[in-house]
Amino acid sequence: AQSVTQLGSHVSVSEGALVLLRCNYSSSVPPYLFWYVQYPNQGLQLLLKYTTGATLVKGINGFEAEFKKSETSFHLTKPSAHMSDAAEYFCAVTGGNSGYALNFGKGTSLLVTP
Amino acid sequence: ETGVTQSPTHLIKTRGQQVTLRCSSQSGHNTVSWYQQALGQGPQFIFQYYREEENGRGNFPPRFSGLQFPNYSSELNVNALELDDSALYLCASSLGYGVQETQYFGPGTRLLVL
Repeated sequence: AQSVTQLGSHVSVSEGALVLLRCNYSSSVPPYLFWYVQYPNQGLQLLLKYTTGATLVKGINGFEAEFKKSETSFHLTKPSAHMSDAAEYFCAVTGGNSGYALNFGKGTSLLVTP
Repeated sequence: ETGVTQSPTHLIKTRGQQVTLRCSSQSGHNTVSWYQQALGQGPQFIFQYYREEENGRGNFPPRFSGLQFPNYSSELNVNALELDDSALYLCASSLGYGVQETQYFGPGTRLLVL
């Protein structure tokens, strides 16, 4: 079955520092991968997704992620953190046994300090 | 363009009661998926509706049921509520049910079962 593992339930960075949120996937077929962000008391918003083609995917708010098949990873990065980036981030996968249902990781809470 | 809306925003029920949650999909979307997000966890897929038919189901018991209407809005019904049903319930709509389709989430309904 398709699954994702997010390494680090909490990540803290200083404002202006690099953001790196880790996601590894397990899949028997080519995966479709997504990153969503959830602000407090809100639903989920899509940051970016990988389907096929270019392995470096650019998303909203300056985020990007690179699909690395050899490492089964889809890590999310942003060069310079803003205070407004503080939120919960979820990696998700579809395809294979999961079909079209999003199979989410447990999430990573990003804290940005001044 | 109106996004995905859900009602009510919050709900308190007692064990054994029944509850109905509602979702209006984004304009032009014919597919609605429901997810349960327990505190501190990633969302879990409940089921999906495509053009008024259930199109897939996650690992949830039959007391979780749903409907989709001709205008593609949807309801989630939960019978015989249990304490563990306390969670944020998220509705997501999409243009179709393909594995590559982006699912757009509503703000959720927070259910507390006492």
